[in-house]
Amino acid sequence: DTGVSQNPRHKITKRGQNVTFRCDPISEHNRLYWYRQTLGQGPEFLTYFQNEAQLEKSRLLSDRFSAERPKGSFSTLEIQRTEQGDSAMYLCASSLPVGEQYFGPGTRLTVT
Amino acid sequence: GQQLNQSPQSMFIQEGEDVSMNCTSSSIFNTWLWYKQDPGEGPVLLIALYKAGELTSNGRLTAQFGITRKDSFLNISASIPSDVGIYFCAGPRGGSGGSNYKLTFGKGTLLTVNP
Repeated sequence: DTGVSQNPRHKITKRGQNVTFRCDPISEHNRLYWYRQTLGQGPEFLTYFQNEAQLEKSRLLSDRFSAERPKGSFSTLEIQRTEQGDSAMYLCASSLPVGEQYFGPGTRLTVT
Repeated sequence: GQQLNQSPQSMFIQEGEDVSMNCTSSSIFNTWLWYKQDPGEGPVLLIALYKAGELTSNGRLTAQFGITRKDSFLNISASIPSDVGIYFCAGPRGGSGGSNYKLTFGKGTLLTVNP
């Protein structure tokens, strides 16, 4: 197993466009997390899935953001009507029910 | 919300030197984690600490879980150029049903190693 993977690694989009990112967790991990990281800051929690159920969303996750994990395996994070303030690194992590979180390489979003 | 304060913010050292950095919180954590992040990559878990007073090593890295449960320390011995990166402390907080899963991160310590 090669760890958590994320696609694309980089995305440049124009303000107002929609974007979607994908995360493939470590295969036996049933927990999946999304974080956002801006320059000079540590990652900030966005949302969390246990299997296919989305159990919590941060207040950082405005209604323009939606995340899914339809079959309890990969997850997608969609941002609608992107704004320049959405520019950040979007990180996915996964874990076992009891265990530490392992992060993917991230998707760098630039909104122009 | 909870904040983790890391110091120093940055360090510039010579290859071969030892390095110490720390992380403090106003709240108690039951787990302390140390991650390293290279530019353009995701954080990589270095060390996990689960018990107050615990001292854990991973190669040249040693981390300690403070007795008060409000701090943690990371030491790197005999630094090498590939130690360059940002080191984050993190701890799990909150969550419904009593489970801790939301990681709170510090702002990181940027380490530069001069060959």
